[in-house]
Amino acid sequence: GAVVSQHPSWVICKSGTSVKIECRSLDFQATTMFWYRQFPKQSLMLMATSNEGSKATYEQGVEKDKFLINHASLTLSTLTVTSAHPEDSSFYICSARPAGNTGELFFGEGSRLTVL
Amino acid sequence: AQSVSQHNHHVILSEAASLELGCNYSYGGTVNLFWYVQYPGQHLQLLLKYFSGDPLVKGIKGFEAEFIKSKFSFNLRKPSVQWSDTAEYFCAVNLRPGANSKLTFGKGITLSVRP
Repeated sequence: GAVVSQHPSWVICKSGTSVKIECRSLDFQATTMFWYRQFPKQSLMLMATSNEGSKATYEQGVEKDKFLINHASLTLSTLTVTSAHPEDSSFYICSARPAGNTGELFFGEGSRLTVL
Repeated sequence: AQSVSQHNHHVILSEAASLELGCNYSYGGTVNLFWYVQYPGQHLQLLLKYFSGDPLVKGIKGFEAEFIKSKFSFNLRKPSVQWSDTAEYFCAVNLRPGANSKLTFGKGITLSVRP
C-alpha cells in the first residue's frame, strides 16, 4: 500500500514551453502533498506544500508564477513549470502523506526535466 | 534555523563491514525522525522511522537507528553491509509533527560497498 506515482518519469522540452508533471496517490487519499527538487549529488529541496482545495504554500525563493501547483483532488497534485529555461532542468519529486497521518511521507519515482 | 546535518558525503566500505551513518538535527521540540534510502535509478524508500517510545528502532534490511535526544542525533547502523546496500541515504526530520508539517532532509550520504 501507500504508492505514489509520478508522470512523466522524464521529459525533454524546448526553452520557453511549459511542462506539467502529475503526482497521484494510488491507494490512499492525501490532503497534503509536497513537491521537492533534487539537484545532482544534493539533498531534496522542498519547493511547496500542496493542500487539496486550497492554494499551495511556497518555500522562500521559489517563484509561484514559475512553478504552478494545483491539488484538485485528494489523489492528484500537478506541478507546471511555466516558460521553462535550461536552469529549470532538474529532478522533481512529489510526496504524499495519507490523510489523518502526521508522520512519514511516501515518495513518487521522480520526474527528470531537461530543458534544451 | 532548523537543520539536519549528515556528517559524511561518501562512505566506502567492503562487504561485511559495519556501518554507522551520522545524523544530527537542530531543534529543541518534538520531532519525528526518518531514514530514507535511494537505490540507483529508484525512488526514495523508507528504511525506518522514530516517533516515540523505544529510542532504538529497527527497520528493513537489517538497518537500525538510535535516537539520542541529549545529542540531537539519530544515527543509522548496520552490523554487516552487503553490496546491495550501495545507495544514497537521507536522514529527515519532521519538526512539530502535524498534518501539514514538512520533512527537512539532510544532504545525503552516498554509500558504496565493494564486493
